Amino acid sequence: SQTIHQWPATLVQPVGSPLSLECTVEGTSNPNLYWYRQAAGRGLQLLFYSVGIGQISSEVPQNLSASRPQDRQFILSSKKLLLSDSGFYLCAWGTASTDTQYFGPGTRLTVL
Amino acid sequence: GIQVEQSPPDLILQEGANSTLRCNFSDSVNNLQWFHQNPWGQLINLFYIPSGTKQNGRLSATTVATERYSLLYISSSQTTDSGVYFCAVGLRGGGSNYKLTFGKGTLLTVNP
Repeated sequence: SQTIHQWPATLVQPVGSPLSLECTVEGTSNPNLYWYRQAAGRGLQLLFYSVGIGQISSEVPQNLSASRPQDRQFILSSKKLLLSDSGFYLCAWGTASTDTQYFGPGTRLTVL
Repeated sequence: GIQVEQSPPDLILQEGANSTLRCNFSDSVNNLQWFHQNPWGQLINLFYIPSGTKQNGRLSATTVATERYSLLYISSSQTTDSGVYFCAVGLRGGGSNYKLTFGKGTLLTVNP
């Protein structure tokens, strides 16, 4: 069966520091991968998606970037964090055939 | 872009009561999913339901795509049903991926 992992689970970072969040998927090949952010107001917003290694599409211009160095690895990064980057970051995977997305456990980021 | 509205925003029930959550969307979609976000933040897939009716235990869902709404029914609610329920609609992007747009969710509290 497929599983999706995210780490770290929680992170507290100072403003201006770099960020690297990692997401990995097991049990499937060539998945579509997604990064979402959930702010305090509850809604989830799609940040990035990827349909293959090195292929990244950005949905919202912002202080963040994403990379996909391996088939089942998706990384969310920032060079300098802002207070507004605080939130709950969720990674998801899906396939073209299933039309369903499955979410990881999330990373709670607090920028102070 | 497509708009997704969920109602009610908040709902408080006594254990054993039934409830109906609604999701309206502004345009035709390829897909619709219902999720439950538990107190730890994990998003759990409930239904993939672009049209028709499905049932899973005490939960059932109906989507009327032509009228652009979906309903989630919870019967004989339990305290473990508490959390935020999200509706998300999917639109296929160019190629093999599709993107989810989330509503703001319904916060359900079930009291013993």
